[in-house]
Amino acid sequence: SQKIEQNSEALNIQEGKTATLTCNYTNYSPAYLQWYRQDPGRGPVFLLLIRENEKEKRKERLKVTFDTTLKQSLFHITASQPADSATYLCALGNTGFQKLVFGTGTRLLVSP
Amino acid sequence: GAGVSQSPSNKVTEKGKDVELRCDPISGHTALYWYRQSLGQGLEFLIYFQGNSAPDKSGLPSDRFSAERTGGSVSTLTIQRTQQEDSAVYLCASSFSGGAYYEQYFGPGTRLTVT
Repeated sequence: SQKIEQNSEALNIQEGKTATLTCNYTNYSPAYLQWYRQDPGRGPVFLLLIRENEKEKRKERLKVTFDTTLKQSLFHITASQPADSATYLCALGNTGFQKLVFGTGTRLLVSP
Repeated sequence: GAGVSQSPSNKVTEKGKDVELRCDPISGHTALYWYRQSLGQGLEFLIYFQGNSAPDKSGLPSDRFSAERTGGSVSTLTIQRTQQEDSAVYLCASSFSGGAYYEQYFGPGTRLTVT
């Protein structure tokens, strides 16, 4: 069955550094991959979508890559700030009316 | 504009009672999703509506769980004969249309505690 893996351990980095989060998947060939941010006590918030034929997508300080050969997506936050501290979820899905499947998320902690 | 709203925000119920959780999606969104999130865990998919139909209800954990959507808008998730393991945050999301291409907009969730 399809499996999505995100680092279960929190990622601790210093302010100003680049944070890199990983999303790996197996037994799956998704057409779309989305990244969400979730703060404690709140619902997830959409950040970026990347398609299978796109290698990279950027939005302000965020960058997402999608390597369908490695079955991996990397999510980068450059010049990280304490306000970036949150849990980041990746989600994958196919074309048509197929639902998104979410990973378990990685918690990011940015220290001043 | 108004986002996804859910009610109640918190619900404490006794084991064995029935509960109803409500979701008001963004106007015009045809797809609606229910998820469950236990403390420190990821999102567990429950059911997906496209319009008033549920093409995927594979995530409902047991026949004590049911959901409906009326008028292509409001959805209600009902849990009968609640058990302590049902305690979790129940999140609703809507999107412009069904499928993985469309971003999902989440509500704030209903925190259910079964005592």
